[in-house]
Amino acid sequence: DADVTQTPRNRITKTGKRIMLECSQTKGHDRMYWYRQDPGLGLQLIYYSFDVKDINKGEISDGYSVSRQAQAKFSLSLESAIPNQTALYFCATSDYRNEQFFGPGTRLTVL
Amino acid sequence: GENVEQHPSTLSVQEGDSAVIKCTYSDSASNYFPWYKQELGKRPQLIIDIRSNVGEKKDQRIAVTLNKTAKHFSLHITETQPEDSAVYFCAASSSGSARQLTFGSGTQLTVLP
Repeated sequence: DADVTQTPRNRITKTGKRIMLECSQTKGHDRMYWYRQDPGLGLQLIYYSFDVKDINKGEISDGYSVSRQAQAKFSLSLESAIPNQTALYFCATSDYRNEQFFGPGTRLTVL
Repeated sequence: GENVEQHPSTLSVQEGDSAVIKCTYSDSASNYFPWYKQELGKRPQLIIDIRSNVGEKKDQRIAVTLNKTAKHFSLHITETQPEDSAVYFCAASSSGSARQLTFGSGTQLTVLP
């Protein structure tokens, strides 16, 4: 869906580096989410935000932090990347009906 | 919290046959059950969803059924085509104001020509 964008699309980094993944949306949704996808494990929720002043931890938030800079922007940070954070990361948005729309994903490799 | 189990993890069918993927959930207060299709290298896309006030919903070749008593829901694809080959994820919405989705682990569907 072109209305949810993520940058970068691919990133290779080294252990210990700080990384920021960014998500922007033009759908006008209040709710935004960050998921991690590993092969065979489906999508796991890292953090979610229901408005600019609301940030909530998901099931796998350890090692991650987020910032909701505006209604349309939600960033995910890895303060000190480690190899087991190598994964595909998706941002998603939804309205009150909870129909979630995903961004194109960011493939992160930590060496 | 909510727990969603999805079966089978892989499914191969002949073109034209039907495919069924099943999910169970643990939170009896869950009331929203979407299904997503993810093609290789692409983002998950919502293909159909059902809310707890109905038992079945259909959209062309795709249907979803919900049994709230047994806490399970299923995706049915009829007259499968090669372009149906993808990973399918079910999900359930947890109760309360949080309403985040909990996803199943996915089913790799392969439609053989």
